[in-house]
Amino acid sequence: DIQMTQSPYSLSASVGDRVTITCRASQGIRNDLAWYQQKSGKAPKRLIYAASNLLNGVPSRFSGSGSGTEFTLTISSLQPEDFATYYCLQHYSHSPTFGQGTKVEIK
Amino acid sequence: EVQLLESGGDLVQPGGSLTVSCAASGFTFNMYAMIWVRQAPGKGLEWVSAISGGGGSTFYADSVKGRFTISRDNSKNTLSLQMTSLRADDTALYYCAKGSSGHTTVPDDPWGQGTLVTVSS
Repeated sequence: DIQMTQSPYSLSASVGDRVTITCRASQGIRNDLAWYQQKSGKAPKRLIYAASNLLNGVPSRFSGSGSGTEFTLTISSLQPEDFATYYCLQHYSHSPTFGQGTKVEIK
Repeated sequence: EVQLLESGGDLVQPGGSLTVSCAASGFTFNMYAMIWVRQAPGKGLEWVSAISGGGGSTFYADSVKGRFTISRDNSKNTLSLQMTSLRADDTALYYCAKGSSGHTTVPDDPWGQGTLVTVSS
């Protein structure tokens, strides 16, 4: 299995802050990576595909970057509706794996 | 509107079996892969299994390989996950999700609301 190590596990931030979440793969995965947002009690929602492509309707304050083994999700100016848990998902292998998640909380 | 409705979650004893299902509507079911993802209470997401649109290709997480079987009935727009030799660590909310194409393992939006499987004596 390809292991995805996500960091930090949690963070506290204020509205307007710039937030960066990192995902590291245990082996190269090209850009076969997606990012998901999950709000409390809700199903996850996909934000980014192919490491850096925003899905339709996702605010432009979200961005993704990286290739190979290191990837980042950045929220340029945190908004109240962005407080949630974020997960990366590698799908390079036929047995995809999620990162452990990063909970973004209000400071 | 795409809708996915899971059902079949239950309390089952360790070593037991259970089948959960997902009824799909609002899209041409046989053109899209379908995926199961689970989430243990208070924990993160775990990808479980995927099946291609035609049903000819299936994929499993190592943690469930040999115990779980994914299948689909394209005439009834239904996805199923047959689970055997259940263990306590299989306890989770099981989500079904539509793929973005006929051959993918990546969950697209929307997902269902989930069905709860509890493995306990």
